[in-house]
Amino acid sequence: DSGVTQTPKHLITATGQRVTLRCSPRSGDLSVYWYQQSLDQGLQFLIQYYNGEERAKGNILERFSAQQFPDLHSELNLSSLELGDSALYFCASSVLAGGYTDTQYFGPGTRLTVL
Amino acid sequence: AQKVTQAQTEISVVEKEDVTLDCVYETRDTTYYLFWYKQPPSGELVFLIRRNSFDEQNEISGRYSWNFQKSTSSFNFTITASQVVDSAVYFCALSWGNSNSGYALNFGKGTSLLVTP
Repeated sequence: DSGVTQTPKHLITATGQRVTLRCSPRSGDLSVYWYQQSLDQGLQFLIQYYNGEERAKGNILERFSAQQFPDLHSELNLSSLELGDSALYFCASSVLAGGYTDTQYFGPGTRLTVL
Repeated sequence: AQKVTQAQTEISVVEKEDVTLDCVYETRDTTYYLFWYKQPPSGELVFLIRRNSFDEQNEISGRYSWNFQKSTSSFNFTITASQVVDSAVYFCALSWGNSNSGYALNFGKGTSLLVTP
């Protein structure tokens, strides 16, 4: 158990809908990262937040957005869902701002299925 | 460009065999970190090791060992005397970014290891 929690574990929804994925980092970690794992693209970095502020941005679609709250938990919002958004979404956390030395610890993931 | 290549898509071995998982990376950075993660059938990603670009010493942890060679841009992972519980997908990853934009991990496609009794 990494100490990173994610809810829900599974999510099934329809095209065009909007969903919210939630992540709580390990105690003491200030950075939260979101990754998407799909069969086509593999594991891809989406976005990073550090102490409430956006830091690094990867291949995140405009339909996707995220935020980190004062209690450091983070939410990833996916809207206008398409079939291709079906994937496993991971949250990771690290202690610092995400420097080279940081190790990212991953949560169990949320499996999203878009029908 | 940052890139991680794991050329072996799937490997199948019999229990107690040694197996090496290859990882080749590309980066223009002089300072970087390499990682290995394990994804068992249950789906979570488990951190195994972190290695910085200035430390080319090999690392051993029980049955696991890692060989980092900057000259060939490789960071290979060896499991000695494999066990069924080692069956998983193994990912090699490379850190990228800078202090202004933040940092993230660039993952390889992964190597699926199947250890049979």
